[in-house]
Amino acid sequence: EDQVTQSPEALRLQEGESSSLNCSYTVSGLRGLFWYRQDPGKGPEFLFTLYSAGEEKEKERLKATLTKKESFLHITAPKPEDSATYLCAVQNDYKLSFGAGTTVTVRA
Amino acid sequence: DTAVSQTPKYLVTQMGNDKSIKCEQNLGHDTMYWYKQDSKKFLKIMFSYNNKELIINETVPNRFSPKSPDKAHLNLHINSLELGDSAVYFCASSQGPRDPQPQHFGDGTRLSIL
Repeated sequence: EDQVTQSPEALRLQEGESSSLNCSYTVSGLRGLFWYRQDPGKGPEFLFTLYSAGEEKEKERLKATLTKKESFLHITAPKPEDSATYLCAVQNDYKLSFGAGTTVTVRA
Repeated sequence: DTAVSQTPKYLVTQMGNDKSIKCEQNLGHDTMYWYKQDSKKFLKIMFSYNNKELIINETVPNRFSPKSPDKAHLNLHINSLELGDSAVYFCASSQGPRDPQPQHFGDGTRLSIL
């Protein structure tokens, strides 16, 4: 069965303090790895899709990278509005399997 | 315009009751999904429909029955509700079932069983 493990569970950052979130996975036949952002009381919001090892995607202060066993979400100079839970998911054929997420809190 | 909308947003009910959750998407997508997010925040797929055809049916009690009247709507009916059914249920949609297209989620239905 596909497995997705995210670390750390929670991350508290000072505004401007860059950091990285990890997503390690085991999947037979990766078709895509997704990053989502989830705010309290809301559904997950799509951020990135990565398809193959070595690929990188960027959006504002976020950058996602992919290797054969893990993905990183780098947050550069975060702001309070970056506070959220970040979810990683892998797709094998028809199904998405999610990790439990990393809850990021950015203090001003 | 809300892309994926679910109703109701909150559902509080007694054990043993039957309830339904409705989902509609206006994105023109062919595939829709139901997920359950438990207290530990894990999102787990329950069902998926592609053009009204069931394509994913995970190990879910048969008290849960999805119905897709057309490709823009996917409803979830739950019979004989149990305490363990308390969770947030999310509906999602994507362009297709197999290509790694992003899924778009509704804001969830918070189900609490008393």
